[in-house]
Order: sequence, then structure tokens, then C-alpha cells
Amino acid sequence: QKEVEQNSGPLSVPEGAIASLNCTYSDRGSQSFFWYRQYSGKSPELIMSIYSNGDKEDGRFTAQLNKASQYVSLLIRDSQPSDSATYLCAVKGTSYGKLTFGQGTILTVHP
Amino acid sequence: KAGVTQTPRYLIKTRGQQVTLSCSPISGHRSVSWYQQTPGQGLQFLFEYFSETQRNKGNFPGRFSGRQFSNSRSEMNVSTLELGDSALYLCASSMSLGQGPRDIQYFGAGTRLSVL
Repeated sequence: QKEVEQNSGPLSVPEGAIASLNCTYSDRGSQSFFWYRQYSGKSPELIMSIYSNGDKEDGRFTAQLNKASQYVSLLIRDSQPSDSATYLCAVKGTSYGKLTFGQGTILTVHP
Repeated sequence: KAGVTQTPRYLIKTRGQQVTLSCSPISGHRSVSWYQQTPGQGLQFLFEYFSETQRNKGNFPGRFSGRQFSNSRSEMNVSTLELGDSALYLCASSMSLGQGPRDIQYFGAGTRLSVL
């Protein structure tokens, strides 16, 4: 079992729709959860961080965390073509520096 | 405020050579982490440095090494290059001021290494 798994893509949604990205993790000691966006040929860019169970909203983005189910998700409302990218789920435990990443989900928003 | 700066952006080397990559963190950030990104393995943690000390290391062979200087700038070195070392090498910096797991990492643009 991989440490961090993301829903298989690619995911294609029409402009204006809600995109739902999911991630599960295996280490129950994980404490912090991050969503990064990576455009082709670019470096990862932080979208959201979440540390406590529940929802966290920032503009069109909502992160949801359920530690009991070891599940974290990212919802993108009113999806735009500019949201087309690879979305990386990253999990951090107590060890210094180490982020463990999922394999990424490719999202395409078509006009 | 300048972001994380990595140099060079692109490198082409041949098998058996060695390479040194450089990373300048965001001003005030004291922790530097290095990652390797490949299409097959994704993003994998190499090591983390803080105050010139390596605090954590990922599962990579000893050919991969690094160091951090007193100004928090970091270098990583790969010796005896192999074809499989071709990858995007990313550096990330964070403040690491007792925030523990909530410490947010910001990534540089990366160095793309091609080994021929």
C-alpha cells in the first residue's frame, strides 16, 4: 500500500463545475496535510493547508480532512480553464522536513 | 520578497560524472528540503537541513549528499551519475520556527538534470 494515494485521473470537468480531488494516507501519525498545484514544467505551488478535522475554505477552494478515515479532499468550485494542472496531495508527520506526496491527479477544465 | 532560487535551471551530464545543485531559500527561512521528481516515482524526499545540520534523510543511496551554509543556502551533490538520476530536483524552504508539522514549504523552480 502506498503511503499517500490520490484518486486516479485524469479528471476532466466543464468550466464552472465543481472538481473533487481525493487523497488517502496510511500513517495515522500524520499531522499536516497540504494540496499543491503544479502546472506542466513548473514547480509545486501551495493551494491549501489543513491540520484539523473538518472543512477549510479559501476562495473557490475547500479542503476537507477526516483523520478517522485517513482521508483528505480538495473541492474546486466554479472551475476555470486556468485550474487545469496536476494537483498533489502531501502529508507530513513529525519527522523533520519530509513531505510525502501522492502521485498527483491531472485536472483538465474544458471551456 | 524573493522566492526560493535554484541554480542552474538545466544541466546535462554524462554517466559517471558528478553534479552540484544550489538552492537559496526565502529570506528568513532556515530549513531547506530537497526532493527528486520523476514521472515514475513522483516527488520523493531526499533530505532536510537546518542550521547547517542534516536532520532527516530519505531513502536514497549515499551518492546523494548535501550541505547547508551559515546563510541557510544549501547545495546537493550527486556523484557517479546514473541514467536513472535524470529528474527534476526541487528545493523547498520553510521557516521552521517551532511550528513543527505546520511548517509550510515553498518550492523553487527546480533544476532539471539530464544524464546521458
